[in-house]
Amino acid sequence: EPEVTQTPSHQVTQMGQEVILRCVPISNHLYFYWYRQILGQKVEFLVSFYNNEISEKSEIFDDQFSVERPDGSNFTLKIRSTKLEDSAMYFCASLRASGGQETQYFGPGTRLLVL
Amino acid sequence: SQQGEEDPQALSIQEGENATMNCSYKTSINNLQWYRQNSGRGLVHLILIRSNEREKHSGRLRVTLDTSKKSSSLLITASRAADTASYFCATLEDNQGGKLIFGQGTELSVKP
Repeated sequence: EPEVTQTPSHQVTQMGQEVILRCVPISNHLYFYWYRQILGQKVEFLVSFYNNEISEKSEIFDDQFSVERPDGSNFTLKIRSTKLEDSAMYFCASLRASGGQETQYFGPGTRLLVL
Repeated sequence: SQQGEEDPQALSIQEGENATMNCSYKTSINNLQWYRQNSGRGLVHLILIRSNEREKHSGRLRVTLDTSKKSSSLLITASRAADTASYFCATLEDNQGGKLIFGQGTELSVKP
């Protein structure tokens, strides 16, 4: 069964460093998302991406964050200058079609720890 | 908005018992979905119920949706120790490929 994959599974970085989290969505999916989950808290929406542009972003997704789909298969989340509070599990998700009858499939997540 | 709030926050039961988790939300929705998360792991989709549906079954799972009360419940029958996980409801407000809004989750512990 097709699945969303994410790399790396774990990332440790120093505050102020740039990190790039990578995702490979399911191949025939058209909508892509990043969510994050701070330890012990609920999953929060960061950004959605469709037709090579951001379709919606949350307040969390400030100028330090960016997304890209560089080659038609990968979908990346970049954090330019990490802060301690960016420590969280980051999930990528993809959706085949809109209409509300299909589900978003989530990847296994990247656990980011900012020291 | 505080969309998708589950209760109870934690539930501990014995193997073989049924587990019921509830979710409430505040806005109009297109659909509501339930996900499962094992400790520190990814989100596994369990079931999707559309706003025009009232009940749905999948194996040992039964989901109900009451749009008049803006609430949903997830029932796991004949629970097993392997069902131990956190369960989240998530709502989709629109049908344009929009974001899911998650609740805080219910932590289910099934004791053998």
